[in-house]
Amino acid sequence: DQQVKQNSPSLSVQEGRISILNCDYTNSMFDYFLWYKKYPAEGPTFLISISSIKDKNEDGRFTVFLNKSAKHLSLHIVPSQPGDSAVYFCAASGLQGAQKLVFGQGTRLTINP
Amino acid sequence: KAGVTQTPRYLIKTRGQQVTLSCSPISGHRSVSWYQQTPGQGLQFLFEYFSETQRNKGNFPGRFSGRQFSNSRSEMNVSTLELGDSALYLCASSLAPATGGDSFGSGTRLTVV
Repeated sequence: DQQVKQNSPSLSVQEGRISILNCDYTNSMFDYFLWYKKYPAEGPTFLISISSIKDKNEDGRFTVFLNKSAKHLSLHIVPSQPGDSAVYFCAASGLQGAQKLVFGQGTRLTINP
Repeated sequence: KAGVTQTPRYLIKTRGQQVTLSCSPISGHRSVSWYQQTPGQGLQFLFEYFSETQRNKGNFPGRFSGRQFSNSRSEMNVSTLELGDSALYLCASSLAPATGGDSFGSGTRLTVV
């Protein structure tokens, strides 16, 4: 049972445009959500997180939106840069992060010059 | 400061053997989690240790085990290896559980032949 789903295995975006990565979850007990970025041969790197008490969190070019009623979150990258090309994982946890992280399967983002 | 260090980086084992992977967390981090990454299943949580005690465990068979030492270093062991155990094993550390934004190591790529 895939509790966290990233339905797009890949996404291609032109440099300078907005990248939107989506993630859906099924477990209503999740209340803490994170995005990680992963380059080949490296471990995931934490990008940004959001608690269920918020619906938006912003950090530079990265913004995460949370729609609790739809059990959906998205990561917006504006403007997209070639260095953003990587695999992006969303993850969810309960009890404000006290429970184990459940990851989606990842979306490979390619930024085209 | 040094990041999360995992050794070895690559490992080839034959079916039926056992393997031990090592993880040294970031200095001062006391929580260590282990994940398995495979192309089909994405990142799956194995277990989490804090202060030498297992706090959480994922849905893996008993062949997968781990431990944490007093210096916070952690090892995971897989016994009676199967072909399906071939994966990238990632270790993540954080100051304590529920702090979010874990730092990941680069992983150990295990190939079972």
